[in-house]
Amino acid sequence: DADVTQTPRNRITKTGKRIMLECSQTKGHDRMYWYRQDPGLGLRLIYYSFDVKDINKGEISDGYSVSRQAQAKFSLSLESAIPNQTALYFCATSDPGQQETQYFGPGTRLLVL
Amino acid sequence: EDKVVQSPLSLVVHEGDTVTLNCSYEVTNFRSLLWYKQEKKAPTFLFMLTSSGIEKKSGRLSSILDKKELSSILNITATQTGDSAIYLCAVEGYNTDKLIFGTGTRLQVFP
Repeated sequence: DADVTQTPRNRITKTGKRIMLECSQTKGHDRMYWYRQDPGLGLRLIYYSFDVKDINKGEISDGYSVSRQAQAKFSLSLESAIPNQTALYFCATSDPGQQETQYFGPGTRLLVL
Repeated sequence: EDKVVQSPLSLVVHEGDTVTLNCSYEVTNFRSLLWYKQEKKAPTFLFMLTSSGIEKKSGRLSSILDKKELSSILNITATQTGDSAIYLCAVEGYNTDKLIFGTGTRLQVFP
């Protein structure tokens, strides 16, 4: 079984719609991250959380919000989706003792029309 | 501003060729540099480098860090079609707990 799972894996939505991407992990890691990947731009950090009560903005947090419902769950919301949020979204986890090694989920491909 | 630059952006080779991928960085209080391989979807971890001049090897892949030049290279010898992927470089500084990723190098290996 995968250690980091994301749902949905693919999603098509319309401009203005609210959408939530979910991430779950069974690795027991405290730290979780949301990235988006765009061609030519690499991976960019949206939000990250070091424990259930800790939420931090990344480099491109505008237009996104997150919720850390439990140690194992970290969800990303687009309150009002826009076309330039079309991207591949990755969730990742890490262990504080091995912060450099992040474990990635399979990704969610989002298309905003 | 912290940043990571990878080159080339894209590389096309034939099986058996040797390739060298480059990563240069600017980061405050450098802590580590990591290489990831991304095939279809999620990146997978390859190497973590913290000290200059110490080569890390895994099969046909090897990597080395040069802190003086603020760079790292990833070498792949005797390439195979299964090496086709995007190779991502990321760095971390002591002042931050986040990884900064480069744009990646897309490697295509043809038979």
